[in-house]
Amino acid sequence: AQKVTQAQTEISVVEKEDVTLDCVYETRDTTYYLFWYKQPPSGELVFLIRRNSFDEQNEISGRYSWNFQKSTSSFNFTITASQVVDSAVYFCALSGRVGGRDDKIIFGKGTRLHILP
Amino acid sequence: EAGVVQSPRYKIIEKKQPVAFWCNPISGHNTLYWYLQNLGQGPELLIRYENEEAVDDSQLPKDRFSAERLKGVDSTLKIQPAELGDSAVYLCASSFRDTVSDTQYFGPGTRLTVL
Repeated sequence: AQKVTQAQTEISVVEKEDVTLDCVYETRDTTYYLFWYKQPPSGELVFLIRRNSFDEQNEISGRYSWNFQKSTSSFNFTITASQVVDSAVYFCALSGRVGGRDDKIIFGKGTRLHILP
Repeated sequence: EAGVVQSPRYKIIEKKQPVAFWCNPISGHNTLYWYLQNLGQGPELLIRYENEEAVDDSQLPKDRFSAERLKGVDSTLKIQPAELGDSAVYLCASSFRDTVSDTQYFGPGTRLTVL
């Protein structure tokens, strides 16, 4: 069975600090995809990144970076120099691949991030 | 480009009443999803459509929930009758499914309160 664990329920940091959100996943699929979504107070889930299981390169996008480690089944997300606008709930998610197409996405319970001014 | 549109944004009803939610996906997206999100939890899939066909409705409580996607574009999710435990946010998402890509884009959701 597939599972996504976000052990950090809530994190608070002061603005400009770096913060890392942890994500650990379980799957038996050899091909799978990992996602991060941001859910601000408005409620809409905003897509941040999609990474396939064969690409372990870390990715950086502005202040955001992602560290994918297959050996530890982790896909952690780091925000550098955090800003108040980064305050939101962040979800890590996992989907497998069935018959050449992505299977349904399984979401973690989310980490609520508070950036304090 | 317009995102996924959902209406209403908020709905308050009494238990045993019917309720319906509407979703308009991103233009050109052939796959549509309805999710349920309880407070403090991640979204959970209720049903997935590929064009007009419901290809995964295993998590949809069919005794009271129904959905349709006529003409393969807009979709409606209905609950009849609503129960107190149905209070949650109902999210719609869409994607263009091909052999290599299936990133889902979400709407703002409908927050349902059942009294």
